[in-house]
Amino acid sequence: GENVEQHPSTLSVQEGDSAVIKCTYSDSASNYFPWYKQELGKGPQLIIDIRSNVGEKKDQRIAVTLNKTAKHFSLHITETQPEDSAVYFCAAMINDMRFGAGTRLTVKP
Amino acid sequence: GAVVSQHPSRVICKSGTSVKIECRSLDFQATTMFWYRQFPKQSLMLMATSNEGSKATYEQGVEKDKFLINHASLTLSTLTVTSAHPEDSSFYICSAREGSREQYFGPGTRLTVT
Repeated sequence: GENVEQHPSTLSVQEGDSAVIKCTYSDSASNYFPWYKQELGKGPQLIIDIRSNVGEKKDQRIAVTLNKTAKHFSLHITETQPEDSAVYFCAAMINDMRFGAGTRLTVKP
Repeated sequence: GAVVSQHPSRVICKSGTSVKIECRSLDFQATTMFWYRQFPKQSLMLMATSNEGSKATYEQGVEKDKFLINHASLTLSTLTVTSAHPEDSSFYICSAREGSREQYFGPGTRLTVT
């Protein structure tokens, strides 16, 4: 089945800096790659997604890039703010969603 | 985005009892629903997938007789943890999807078995 690896496991940045989280997947049949933000005690919230026919997608301060050949995709957050602090999960989907291990992002004011 | 609700948000039960968790899609028809389990500081682990009107498909290692899933309508799925034990204590999260569209998650249910 699909295996998703995510790095780094923790990331600490200064407010205003950029943050990048990277994921790789194993099954080339995966065709949908969402990113979720999870705050403590809450369910994951979809923040951005990309499908396999697109290389890059941007939504304000958040962008995702996809390299199908290398089977990796990345989340980019620019101008980070303290409220961006959370755990971020990448996922890859064929029929069901497989998650990465998560990245705990801390944005220091 | 679409809204998925879960009830209850927290539940404490005694060992040996059963507890039911409800998951509802509020503004879309959930043709497929998923149940995940999440231990502290860990990722989400898929337990089972259910399509409306069909039996759930369980992931390897998940006991179907212990975790009963019912997806009787396009807006409701339930997870019943039968004969719960302390090791079943966890954060249970449901997710729903309409067709091949985006997958949305509920807020989760914190189960504590004493």
